[in-house]
Amino acid sequence: SQELEQSPQSLIVQEGKNLTINCTSSKTLYGLYWYKQKYGEGLIFLMMLQKGGEEKSHEKITAKLDEKKQQSSLHITASQPSHAGIYLCGADMASGGSYIPTFGRGTSLIVHP
Amino acid sequence: DAGVIQSPRHEVTEMGQEVTLRCKPISGHDYLFWYRQTMMRGLELLIYFNNNVPIDDSGMPEDRFSAKMPNASFSTLKIQPSEPRDSAVYFCASSPWTGRANYGYTFGSGTRLTVV
Repeated sequence: SQELEQSPQSLIVQEGKNLTINCTSSKTLYGLYWYKQKYGEGLIFLMMLQKGGEEKSHEKITAKLDEKKQQSSLHITASQPSHAGIYLCGADMASGGSYIPTFGRGTSLIVHP
Repeated sequence: DAGVIQSPRHEVTEMGQEVTLRCKPISGHDYLFWYRQTMMRGLELLIYFNNNVPIDDSGMPEDRFSAKMPNASFSTLKIQPSEPRDSAVYFCASSPWTGRANYGYTFGSGTRLTVV
């Protein structure tokens, strides 16, 4: 089973609409990353959240971390076609004394102009 | 820095052939990761290295897969013999450290492998 579950799996919105993507961990979170992947390309780092309650913004994208619930949400305000892509959450999962970067399956976002 | 460089970008090969994927991490990054991305399973960690030493290869699917890192600036992922189910996008990523890496992990552009 996935250690990081993302929802929804896919999202289609009209330009200008707000949207939220969620990421839930089955294990204790020691920090959580958000990445964006354009179709056919690599992953681009957006931001990292380290502390419970922390909130960060990158242009019109805001992410929050709820450590108690082991969840993070990524919110896009006034979406634009340039926001289209796959959004992945990732976290360092403790494994045998190391931290292994693990990722959710991603949320595919399409923004219609 | 040019970032993490992977080659080739696309590879089409016939079943049974050997395939070698290449990665050049960012200079100074001690950790290198190989991932495979498919629609069904998402992004799976195959193996990672620390200071050129393989640390965890539990994600390598079968003995047909092998990875090496002969020096700090080069790593390869080899599949021999290749099978159609190996078709996926393979990513390499590097990082100065693991655990709460403030700037995340830097990914290459990936190699799209198609085995026919």
